[in-house]
Order: sequence, then structure tokens, then C-alpha cells
Amino acid sequence: AQKVTQAQTEISVVEKEDVTLDCVYETRDTTYYLFWYKQPPSGELVFLIRRNSFDEQNEISGRYSWNFQKSTSSFNFTITASQVVDSAVYFCALSDVSGGGADGLTFGKGTHLIIQP
Amino acid sequence: SQTIHQWPATLVQPVGSPLSLECTVEGTSNPNLYWYRQAAGRGLQLLFYSVGIGQISSEVPQNLSASRPQDRQFILSSKKLLLSDSGFYLCAWGRQALAKNIQYFGAGTRLSVL
Repeated sequence: AQKVTQAQTEISVVEKEDVTLDCVYETRDTTYYLFWYKQPPSGELVFLIRRNSFDEQNEISGRYSWNFQKSTSSFNFTITASQVVDSAVYFCALSDVSGGGADGLTFGKGTHLIIQP
Repeated sequence: SQTIHQWPATLVQPVGSPLSLECTVEGTSNPNLYWYRQAAGRGLQLLFYSVGIGQISSEVPQNLSASRPQDRQFILSSKKLLLSDSGFYLCAWGRQALAKNIQYFGAGTRLSVL
């Protein structure tokens, strides 16, 4: 069975600090996808990034960066120079490709990030 | 571009009443469709998914059912709501080839059962 663990329930930092959100996953599949989503107070989930299990290159997009380490089954998310608008709940998720990849995502319980001005 | 619509945005229903939540997708054909529920303080739980008209897979046995009467329409229903059905319901669509297994979510429905 698949499992995603986000051990940090809530993180609070002051604006402009860097912050890392941890994600550890479990799967028996050799091919799978990892995702990060952002849920602002409005509730809608916003897609941030998708990474497949064969691509361990780290990725940077503006102030966001992601560190995928297959050896430790982790897919961590770092926000550099945080801003108040980054305040949200962030979800890490996992899907496999068996069944054609139509199966739903397995989500972690989310990390509530609070950026204080 | 593809868009996904969910309604209503909020709903307050008494225990024992029926439920119907609707989700439609525009701008794509033959999408995979999903219903998730987010209970307070918990992550998102997959309820149902569908790969085509009339094809529904249930992940969690419960008081809810889903139907897909048209290619881009997905409906979540209940004949009699329970208190435990309260939560935030999210619909999502995805396409393996087109969307690279990414799922895109609607704005959600906040359901309170009293």
C-alpha cells in the first residue's frame, strides 16, 4: 500500500526566512509520480510540481525548489525568502502508474505553513 | 484551456436528507474524474474515480455513491446524509497523456450536515 507522511503539522516562520516542508513516501512500485499541491484559505488545490520516479534532478522555480531523493524516499519542498502570500496548507501526494495511471492520488495530511509579517 | 466547475460552493443539510454535488469539466474529452473528501484536520481521501461514462470505482465503502452520466460530468450523491459526511468535497480531473497524470481540482464544496 502507498503512504505519504508529512510529519510537520504546522510551521510558523517570519517573512523572508527560508522554510523546508518534508515529505516521506512509501510505495512498492518502481515507477511512480510525486506531487506538491498548495491549498490557500479559499480551499482550492493548486498544482505546484510533478516529478516521476526516474528523474531525480532537483528543480527550482523562482523561490520554490524541490529535492527528490529516492534513496531516502523523500521529496522535500523549500521556499526561499518566504512571503505572507505563501501561507497555506501544502500537500505532498503520490500516484503509481499501474492501471494506466488512472488511480487517484495518495495524499499526506498536509503541512500548514504560516508566514508572519 | 481546461476548466473544472463544482457546485454548490457551500451546503448545509439536515441529517437524513439527500445529497447531490455536481462537477463538470470543459475543454477536454474523456477525462479521468475523481471525488475526494477532506475532513477537518485530515488529508484528502479518494472516494471515487471514473475512467469513462458509467464506469465508477469506489475506494471507500460508505454512505455515498457516484455517477457519470456524461463524459465530462461527475455527480456525488447520498440518499440519507450522516453527520460524518460533513467535510470539504473536491472534484478533480486528469488525463494520463495530456495532463501527465497531474490532477486538477475544482474549488470544492463545503458540506455541513446538522
